[in-house]
Amino acid sequence: GAVVSQHPSWVICKSGTSVKIECRSLDFQATTMFWYRQFPKQSLMLMATSNEGSKATYEQGVEKDKFLINHASLTLSTLTVTSAHPEDSSFYICSASGRSKSYNSPLHFGNGTRLTVT
Amino acid sequence: DAKTTQPNSMESNEEEPVHLPCNHSTISGTDYIHWYRQLPSQGPEYVIHGLTSNVNNRMASLAIAEDRKSSTLILHRATLRDAAVYYCILRDDFGNEKLTFGTGTRLTIIP
Repeated sequence: GAVVSQHPSWVICKSGTSVKIECRSLDFQATTMFWYRQFPKQSLMLMATSNEGSKATYEQGVEKDKFLINHASLTLSTLTVTSAHPEDSSFYICSASGRSKSYNSPLHFGNGTRLTVT
Repeated sequence: DAKTTQPNSMESNEEEPVHLPCNHSTISGTDYIHWYRQLPSQGPEYVIHGLTSNVNNRMASLAIAEDRKSSTLILHRATLRDAAVYYCILRDDFGNEKLTFGTGTRLTIIP
């Protein structure tokens, strides 16, 4: 089945530094990728949608200058948390959709990246 | 997006069937009913989806009410590995691919 790989699975960084999270589709071309954030005991919240070769669309309340998304190829999207602060500590999850934009196509999710900002 | 309502939590004994309900009274005619589950510290995993007819796959069955205002995910024989948060999500077929997650149902399996 379709596989989405996310790296790193966990990262600890100091306040003020930037962290890059990679999301790769391993056996299919992902024309659209989604980035979610999940705080403890809460549900997933969509942060942004990225389409290959174009600018990401951010959800209301998500700072585009803080959460930089790059979807430069059909198999790779990156999320960079710039100038991270402790309140950015969360579980970040990506998902990908292939070329077939059928309603029958499920989304494939990565296993998430746990970010801890100290 | 049309909303879904699920119980916050449910418990079931191991090796017994589990019926997870979902209400979606404002569902539109073009909304598909999707189910995903999230195991601890992992990303969500697709389970099943349907439009009007009941659906079966190797993981589960989906029973959809005739008026489509509710549905039930059925795990035929729960195992400890089925302990997860189960999300019922409506998704339209107009190319809007994103999934909007609600609070889901936390399923606990009792050995």
